[in-house]
Parts: sequence; structure tokens; C-alpha cells
Amino acid sequence: GENVEQHPSTLSVQEGDSAVIKCTYSDSASNYFPWYKQELGKRPQLIIDIRSNVGEKKDQRIAVTLNKTAKHFSLHITETQPEDSAVYFCAASIHGNQFYFGTGTSLTVIP
Amino acid sequence: EAQVTQNPRYLITVTGKKLTVTCSQNMNHEYMSWYRQDPGLGLRQIYYSMNVEVTDKGDVPEGYKVSRKEKRNFPLILESPSPNQTSLYFCASTSPGLAGRWTDTQYFGPGTRLTVL
Repeated sequence: GENVEQHPSTLSVQEGDSAVIKCTYSDSASNYFPWYKQELGKRPQLIIDIRSNVGEKKDQRIAVTLNKTAKHFSLHITETQPEDSAVYFCAASIHGNQFYFGTGTSLTVIP
Repeated sequence: EAQVTQNPRYLITVTGKKLTVTCSQNMNHEYMSWYRQDPGLGLRQIYYSMNVEVTDKGDVPEGYKVSRKEKRNFPLILESPSPNQTSLYFCASTSPGLAGRWTDTQYFGPGTRLTVL
């Protein structure tokens, strides 16, 4: 099956700096790549997603890039704020059926 | 209010005692799924369902059963729970995307923390 690896597992940045989280996947058939944010004690929430026919997608301070050839995709958060502190998960899916998640990145934004 | 609900939210039980965790959504979503979340392992999919009476195994289905008799409900059944099934469980449902089977936003329930002694 699919294998999704996520790095780093922990990330600390100063407020206002950028944060980048990277994921790789193994199955070239995967074509849907969502990112979720999970605050402590809460449920995961979708923050952005990208499909394989698109190389980049942006939503305000959040962007995701996808390199199908290299089988990796990344989350970019610019101008980080303390409320961005959370655990972030990447995932890969084939047509939105089975989902394979990365192991998560704990992001801390230091005021 | 559009939502996914799970019950119970917390459960402590003993090995071998059958239990059911209910999941219900009021968004008329066709796709529903169950995940377990363990420290350092992220979320792992247990079972998913594309529609009523259609269920498929996810990555870690062993020891679990599901049923989908109605579109809104997708219960998770542990016939004989064991300590290694102690985990945080999430149910999720998804609206169909713009291109048929493409998914859109996956809505998660609040989670059920299960402890098996």
C-alpha cells in the first residue's frame, strides 16, 4: 500500500517567520493530497488540499506545492502567528478512497 | 448545524467485552470513514464506506467491524476488544467533490477515547 513520510516531526519558528513541512509518498497512483491541522485535544481540520493536476495552491498565508515526479508535497506557512501552533498532518489518497496519513509535525510558533 | 457526532466520547472497558462506537452525520454525505490515532503513528484508516451497504478495509482493519445500513450512520464494532486497541478514534464523512469520486472537505467527529484494560 501507500507509504507517506512526513518531516520534520517537530518544528519551532519565531513569530513572523515561515514554516515548511515536507511529505513524500510512494504510490504514483495517489492523486489527492490534503493537509490537516489538529489543535491540542481537538479534531483534525482540513486547511488546504491539492490534486495531482495542479502544482501549487495558495490560500492566504498557506500554500501547498506538489512535485509528482519526485513524489513529494510540501506545506508552506508564511508570517507565522502563535495560533498556527498545532500538529499538522499530510495525507495521500487515490480518488479520495483510502487515505494514508503522515505521522504529523508539531509546530510551535514562539511569540 | 452540519456536524459529525460520535458516542461515547470516552470509554473504559475490559478485554473481550463487545462494544460499539456510533457515528452519525447530518450532511447527507455518501463517504464515511473510521480512523485511529496513536502517538507517533498519525491517523490510520480502519474502514471506509463509499455508500450504503458498501464498505472496504482501510490500512488497519483487524479486530474491527463496521456496517452501513443507513447513509447517516456508520458504527464501529469491536467484537472482542484487546489492550492494543486502546486509542483515540475518529469518524469522518466527506462530501463529493466537483469531479464525481473526487473528495472535498473531510469532516471529522470529535473523537472517542477508548481504553481497554
